[in-house]
Amino acid sequence: DAKTTQPNSMESNEEEPVHLPCNHSTISGTDYIHWYRQLPSQGPEYVIHGLTSNVNNRMASLAIAEDRKSSTLILHRATLRDAAVYYCILRVNSGNTPLVFGKGTRLSVIA
Amino acid sequence: DAGITQSPRHKVTETGTPVTLRCHQTENHRYMYWYRQDPGHGLRLIHYSYGVKDTDKGEVSDGYSVSRSKTEDFLLTLESATSSQTSVYFCAISDIRDRGLYGYTFGSGTRLTVV
Repeated sequence: DAKTTQPNSMESNEEEPVHLPCNHSTISGTDYIHWYRQLPSQGPEYVIHGLTSNVNNRMASLAIAEDRKSSTLILHRATLRDAAVYYCILRVNSGNTPLVFGKGTRLSVIA
Repeated sequence: DAGITQSPRHKVTETGTPVTLRCHQTENHRYMYWYRQDPGHGLRLIHYSYGVKDTDKGEVSDGYSVSRSKTEDFLLTLESATSSQTSVYFCAISDIRDRGLYGYTFGSGTRLTVV
């Protein structure tokens, strides 16, 4: 799997927007950009994914750079329950290549 | 998580004993995975299955075996547990959906301690 680079940690104030960056300069044309998060003492959970266009769902938005070498996960209004480790993962959409998790970004939310 | 359960949730075992962890799904998903998570290493893939009786090794498969005799169950066995296998084990499921895009659903994890 192509490599992604994320900051080790970030901090946000409650009720403020959060922009979590991810660099993936070696991304290939068939790689989808996936985001997962892991709340304390839980398994990871799917957040969002995209290929080229920006994506929105009830949890978050995904902004993908035009050259696809970077992306940003946007939490529009951080809550204390959003404190988690966020993983940015590139996923080939052919067959079933298992997800490979990196270290992710630990997001702290301050009340 | 709804549709996927892991058992047991916690287990303490002695070095050298066999241990089997169970992952059970009710989603009829084709793909199932076992990961382990350790401080400083994040989540690492142990084994995965792409169908009944079809399995493959992941990054850290040494010391582990798996079996999948039916769609809903994926068993992870430590033939002779060692202290280095003390970890939190996560099972995940996924499937092919519209346009081939699919996400993973993870279980709540099994905390295994080998003493």
